[in-house]
Amino acid sequence: GAVVSQHPSRVICKSGTSVKIECRSLDFQATTMFWYRQFPKQSLMLMATSNEGSKATYEQGVEKDKFLINHASLTLSTLTVTSAHPEDSSFYICSAVGQTSYNEQFFGPGTRLTVL
Amino acid sequence: GNSVTQMEGPVTLSEEAFLTINCTYTATGYPSLFWYVQYPGEGLQLLLKATKADDKGSNKGFEATYRKETTSFHLEKGSVQVSDSAVYFCALTEPGGYNKLIFGAGTRLAVHP
Repeated sequence: GAVVSQHPSRVICKSGTSVKIECRSLDFQATTMFWYRQFPKQSLMLMATSNEGSKATYEQGVEKDKFLINHASLTLSTLTVTSAHPEDSSFYICSAVGQTSYNEQFFGPGTRLTVL
Repeated sequence: GNSVTQMEGPVTLSEEAFLTINCTYTATGYPSLFWYVQYPGEGLQLLLKATKADDKGSNKGFEATYRKETTSFHLEKGSVQVSDSAVYFCALTEPGGYNKLIFGAGTRLAVHP
């Protein structure tokens, strides 16, 4: 089946630093990747949609300068949390849609970010 | 706006018990409806889906029927196993929403031997 990986699975950083999270489709080419954020005991909230080779589309209320998304290839998208603060601590999940997956999203295992 | 409401968990059951996890939605038009499952340490996986009213999605013994009249998509399983312990998410995609998923809060299921 279609596999999506995320790296790192867990990261702790100091306030003010930037953190990069990678999302890779391992066995298929992803035309579209999505980035979600999940707070404890809450829903996954869509942050942005990224298509290979074009700028990401951010959801209302998501700061594009804060959460930089780069979809450089058909198998890799990155989310960079810039100048992280404790309120950015969360669980970040990506998903990918393949060219032949009939719009089904395949999810990565998530990245736990803790900002001290 | 469009939204999904799930019953709060955790739901704790004994093995072979009957499972129902309620899900209701608010949406304009006719959304597609999904149940995703997240096992510990893994990503979300699509469990089943239904794309139009009265459709029944089924997989691995789980079933859910798209009920337009009650705007519901309740998940059921006749006999749960310990291996079904996971978090279950109900979700919808908006008509014409370019695959955007709107999730419920998730319901944790714990099945004991």
